[in-house]
Amino acid sequence: GQQVMQIPQYQHVQEGEDFTTYCNSSTTLSNIQWYKQRPGGHPVFLIQLVKSGEVKKQKRLTFQFGEAKKNSSLHITATQTTDVGTYFCAGPNFGNEKLTFGTGTRLTIIP
Amino acid sequence: SAVISQKPSRDICQRGTSLTIQCQVDSQVTMMFWYRQQPGQSLTLIATANQGSEATYESGFVIDKFPISRPNLTFSTLTVSNMSPEDSSIYLCSVGRDRALGTQYFGPGTRLTVL
Repeated sequence: GQQVMQIPQYQHVQEGEDFTTYCNSSTTLSNIQWYKQRPGGHPVFLIQLVKSGEVKKQKRLTFQFGEAKKNSSLHITATQTTDVGTYFCAGPNFGNEKLTFGTGTRLTIIP
Repeated sequence: SAVISQKPSRDICQRGTSLTIQCQVDSQVTMMFWYRQQPGQSLTLIATANQGSEATYESGFVIDKFPISRPNLTFSTLTVSNMSPEDSSIYLCSVGRDRALGTQYFGPGTRLTVL
């Protein structure tokens, strides 16, 4: 079945440093989605990328979808304490109705 | 997006008992899903809740253990039956409005501890 892996599993950064998480799928994806889960919270939808090579920005967050549509990345510039949480990528299964979530990258910030 | 509520938010249960979790959405949605998230882990899809018909279960999950109902387009329940400590987890419902887009919105989750 489809597998979606993320690296690193954990990342500790000093506040103000940059952060990147990478997402790799075993199959080609029609789109890639990113979710953020704060500690004790539930996953919250951040963004969806559809086109090969697509890049989208949300303030300090930059999302990329690979040319082959099998990988993606999320880059955060100048991290803040509000960025703490686990970031999941997710790719749709057959018919776009179900999602396979990546293994997640847990970001902690050292003030 | 959608406003999604779940009840209970947390519970502590005894081994061998059952717990029913409710998921309520503030508007009609096409798709509803149930996930399990074990501590420090990713989300695992349990089943798709189908309105008016039996849920569609993922590999490793069976109806006898996780019966699901979806009587209408705004409400679903998940029952965790004959619980064991291994069922201790967070259970999340999610909804999707657009089959083509596939984006999902999650409820706040139910934190279950089985003793």
